[in-house]
Amino acid sequence: GQQLNQSPQSMFIQEGEDVSMNCTSSSIFNTWLWYKQDPGEGPVLLIALYKAGELTSNGRLTAQFGITRKDSFLNISASIPSDVGIYFCAGQGGSEKLVFGKGTKLTVNP
Amino acid sequence: GAVVSQHPSRVICKSGTSVKIECRSLDFQATTMFWYRQFPKKSLMLMATSNEGSKATYEQGVEKDKFLINHASLTLSTLTVTSAHPEDSSFYICSARDRTSSYEQYFGPGTRLTVT
Repeated sequence: GQQLNQSPQSMFIQEGEDVSMNCTSSSIFNTWLWYKQDPGEGPVLLIALYKAGELTSNGRLTAQFGITRKDSFLNISASIPSDVGIYFCAGQGGSEKLVFGKGTKLTVNP
Repeated sequence: GAVVSQHPSRVICKSGTSVKIECRSLDFQATTMFWYRQFPKKSLMLMATSNEGSKATYEQGVEKDKFLINHASLTLSTLTVTSAHPEDSSFYICSARDRTSSYEQYFGPGTRLTVT
């Protein structure tokens, strides 16, 4: 089945630093989604990407849909303590089901 | 907009009993809802896809007689864990797809099930 490789697995950064994480796949996706999950909560949609090459921003977050349709990255600029959480990428291929990456756990030190 | 609720948020039950979890889309209609299970420090594992007015489609390895899914309306899907065992203890999360959007799924806050 389709699998997503998400990296890094975890990150420890200082407040104010920029963050970058990415997902790659062996197969093509039609849609890429990025979610953030806080402990004990459900994932919250951050950014949705629908077109190869698309670059979309949501405040301090920027995500891109790779031109090959097999990868996506998420950047967070000027991190703040509330950015702490687990970030998941998710891809949608030929069906409506989403395939999730394993997550990137972000820790921001004040 | 795009709010999904789950009830209950936490439930503790005894082995052998059944537990029902509700998933509601509050401000949109969802022809499709999804049920996931998440183990500690792990990613989300899709259990089944629930379509309004038809039978759910279960992922390989998920017992449909144990995890009963009903999607009776465009805003409500229920997951019933039947004859629960301690190994069923987990975080169960639902998501709903807005019928007017592409493939964005909006997630509920999750239900923590503990079977004693």
